[in-house]
Amino acid sequence: EAGVVQSPRYKIIEKKQPVAFWCNPISGHNTLYWYLQNLGQGPELLIRYENEEAVDDSQLPKDRFSAERLKGVDSTLKIQPAELGDSAVYLCASSSLAGVTGELFFGEGSRLTVL
Amino acid sequence: QKEVEQNSGPLSVPEGAIASLNCTYSDRGSQSFFWYRQYSGKSPELIMSIYSNGDKEDGRFTAQLNKASQYVSLLIRDSQPSDSATYLCAVATSGSRLTFGEGTQLTVNP
Repeated sequence: EAGVVQSPRYKIIEKKQPVAFWCNPISGHNTLYWYLQNLGQGPELLIRYENEEAVDDSQLPKDRFSAERLKGVDSTLKIQPAELGDSAVYLCASSSLAGVTGELFFGEGSRLTVL
Repeated sequence: QKEVEQNSGPLSVPEGAIASLNCTYSDRGSQSFFWYRQYSGKSPELIMSIYSNGDKEDGRFTAQLNKASQYVSLLIRDSQPSDSATYLCAVATSGSRLTFGEGTQLTVNP
């Protein structure tokens, strides 16, 4: 069974440029998460989806970040414009369980460097 | 006060020893507790979950939960160099969110 797939694995951009990350969860997993992880820190939740619905986006900086999961399967996270402080690893995770669960499967992450 | 706090590492143990990783949490209504392992440059991987007070064993790993003390720990017996990684404690708080600690870096020396 394929795991959570993310792309791109690495992205280097100039500040003020836009960037997008894509995630395809494990087949059948209705819950999808986007986390941000800074070096030496634990993952921090950006947004949680149950199917197409964003059920927790309270920590998503909506002035520059947006996310979508139009058909309840794959998802895109966008940053526009990117700032230096956005340099981090963006992790996508999925779960077969609804609600708040810790049984998450993570993708390999997308490492963003903003110059 | 941080919602989830872990030992400030790094923690270094010799091969074959017991590694003890600790985590405290602030939300007394938290119900679910998890330990993730993260190898350098890789993504977190779930290794243990615990939902009720007491011990839960899985191979060389034992998770311990004490809700009264708001404390959860992970013991790794017969530590191996392949156990060298960062261990993340995660707590599902009553605010309906999974919150991770900063992690404790473990090094097992051959």
